[in-house]
Amino acid sequence: EDKVVQSPLSLVVHEGDTVTLNCSYEVTNFRSLLWYKQEKKAPTFLFMLTSSGIEKKSGRLSSILDKKELFSILNITATQTGDSAVYLCAVPTDSWGKLQFGAGTQVVVTP
Amino acid sequence: KAGVTQTPRYLIKTRGQQVTLSCSPISGHRSVSWYQQTPGQGLQFLFEYFSETQRNKGNFPGRFSGRQFSNSRSEMNVSTLELGDSALYLCASSLVGGIAEAFFGQGTRLTVV
Repeated sequence: EDKVVQSPLSLVVHEGDTVTLNCSYEVTNFRSLLWYKQEKKAPTFLFMLTSSGIEKKSGRLSSILDKKELFSILNITATQTGDSAVYLCAVPTDSWGKLQFGAGTQVVVTP
Repeated sequence: KAGVTQTPRYLIKTRGQQVTLSCSPISGHRSVSWYQQTPGQGLQFLFEYFSETQRNKGNFPGRFSGRQFSNSRSEMNVSTLELGDSALYLCASSLVGGIAEAFFGQGTRLTVV
């Protein structure tokens, strides 16, 4: 059975701290891994990692994919209160893109 | 470029009624997927449409159905509503599905009373 597990489930940090979120996966035929940020309603796309793109960076956010150990990490440096959100990791489990989501990590950044 | 548009944003229905939700994908995107999000179950896949054809279906009862039109707009329908159907329904738009990036709409918050 395909599985995506995120850890921790929640964390509270102070502004300026660095946050590391984990996503481990077990899928029959790995194609890609996606990270989303969900604040109120719509999950906002952050990164997609594939076999040919195992590291992505955008501003203070970066992500790596370890295909051998079957996990991905999302890093947020110099956190701001606007980074407070649920961060979701998802993996397509078929060739049409059915996404299996992890439970998410709730990040709270305090001033 | 306009994003994914879902309507309505909020709905309150009574048990036994039916409801239809709409999703307009990003222009040029042909794949539309639907997800149900609840606090207990997280995001769960309902179904995916591409060029008016359902390519995949999640593990939901037959009361949940959908369709896609020639302009890629999609609707999902839930008949004989139950209290447990209360959830945030999200649709995701993708160029062709598969490993391509998927972009979500704001969702429709359905409350069944």
